[in-house]
Amino acid sequence: GEEVAQTPKHLVRGEGQKAKLYCAPIKGHSYVFWYQQVLKNEFKFLISFQNENVFDETGMPKERFSAKCLPNSPCSLEIQATKLEDSAVYFCASSQSRGNYGYTFGSGTRLTVV
Amino acid sequence: GESVGLHLPTLSVQEGDNSIINCAYSNSASDYFIWYKQESGKGPQFIIDIRSNMDKRQGQRVTVLLNKTVKHLSLQIAATQPGDSAVYFCAENSGGSQGNLIFGKGTKLSVKP
Repeated sequence: GEEVAQTPKHLVRGEGQKAKLYCAPIKGHSYVFWYQQVLKNEFKFLISFQNENVFDETGMPKERFSAKCLPNSPCSLEIQATKLEDSAVYFCASSQSRGNYGYTFGSGTRLTVV
Repeated sequence: GESVGLHLPTLSVQEGDNSIINCAYSNSASDYFIWYKQESGKGPQFIIDIRSNMDKRQGQRVTVLLNKTVKHLSLQIAATQPGDSAVYFCAENSGGSQGNLIFGKGTKLSVKP
């Protein structure tokens, strides 16, 4: 399809529980990016993929965050043992190429850790 | 809700007036810039982009100006409409081969009817 599909829209987890977010990029887009937006303001880059390969993970908290993009499956972002500060909206974007093209963003998953 | 002390720069304009939203970017090596519009509960929506070899680009009702000397980007919206009310973000390509975007702080545009 022509939109980036993110599920679920909302996710509530107790502190210490696992959270898993999904993203289906636009068909034909090779690059997938994950961003975290806290308090409706700044976007923090987490990780990017070129097809199923991690391209850049410089923004990923090493200990509890992991992500995958497997063939014929939605990409996923998993947070083990969630903390209160993980509460944010997580956006996925996809692009045909990296760098000099606008990315198409999904509508995001709002994660609330209580 | 938002924490105490956190607030977005806000621009309030009358319907029909022109709006100018400004952004300072950080990396002098950045070569590609994008303006995004974010409405409440939605993801960023592409508005217009510009490459570093240009200083002006026009779209429908929108113009982006780039001043590389002072690392400044602006978005001009002509004849602002209520539907333009949103938070606007500038973003720069990080300048390397990674391709991830660095977002600026948003500006909230409120259009008064």
